[in-house]
Amino acid sequence: DSGVTQTPKHLITATGQRVTLRCSPRSGDLSVYWYQQSLDQGLQFLIQYYNGEERAKGNILERFSAQQFPDLHSELNLSSLELGDSALYFCASSVEQGAGYGYTFGSGTRLTVV
Amino acid sequence: GQQVMQIPQYQHVQEGEDFTTYCNSSTTLSNIQWYKQRPGGHPVFLIQLVKSGEVKKQKRLTFQFGEAKKNSSLHITATQTTDVGTYFCAGVGSGGYQKVTFGTGTKLQVIP
Repeated sequence: DSGVTQTPKHLITATGQRVTLRCSPRSGDLSVYWYQQSLDQGLQFLIQYYNGEERAKGNILERFSAQQFPDLHSELNLSSLELGDSALYFCASSVEQGAGYGYTFGSGTRLTVV
Repeated sequence: GQQVMQIPQYQHVQEGEDFTTYCNSSTTLSNIQWYKQRPGGHPVFLIQLVKSGEVKKQKRLTFQFGEAKKNSSLHITATQTTDVGTYFCAGVGSGGYQKVTFGTGTKLQVIP
């Protein structure tokens, strides 16, 4: 157990639908990062939050949005889902804004769009 | 923008052989991190290198950071089946905000 909790572990949904992925960072970590990993691909950075504020944006589609709540958990909302959105979505956390001490990843949510 | 490439993309080795993956950044880095992702698992932080020319060892794993802080390597001596997985480097940019760019990854298969 890495200390970063992601729910649900698996999600199957139809095209056009909307889903919410949830992440609770490791205790004491203020930064949350979202990554997308398609089959056998690398890690695509989506977005980062630090202590409730958006800190950096990567290749995040307009159909996707995220937020970090006062208790520091984060949610990634994916809407108007397409087949190509099927992927593993990882949440990672770190103690500070940057990656000075490395990221701790959750076990991921596997999203399948049918 | 900052790009981080890794080679090779895939590597099959016989158990007991050595393995090396190389990481190259398009820009000078503040530091570099390495992660391992087992099949079906999530990336796990292995190590961070900060100084130019730094070399660190973890048992059979040797990590190097280039003198120009633009490249790095991970060398595994006498691979074991437990080494199977994808190895990612992550380049941490300079400046106030330490932007992290993950490399493309090297997938290692170890044949028993």
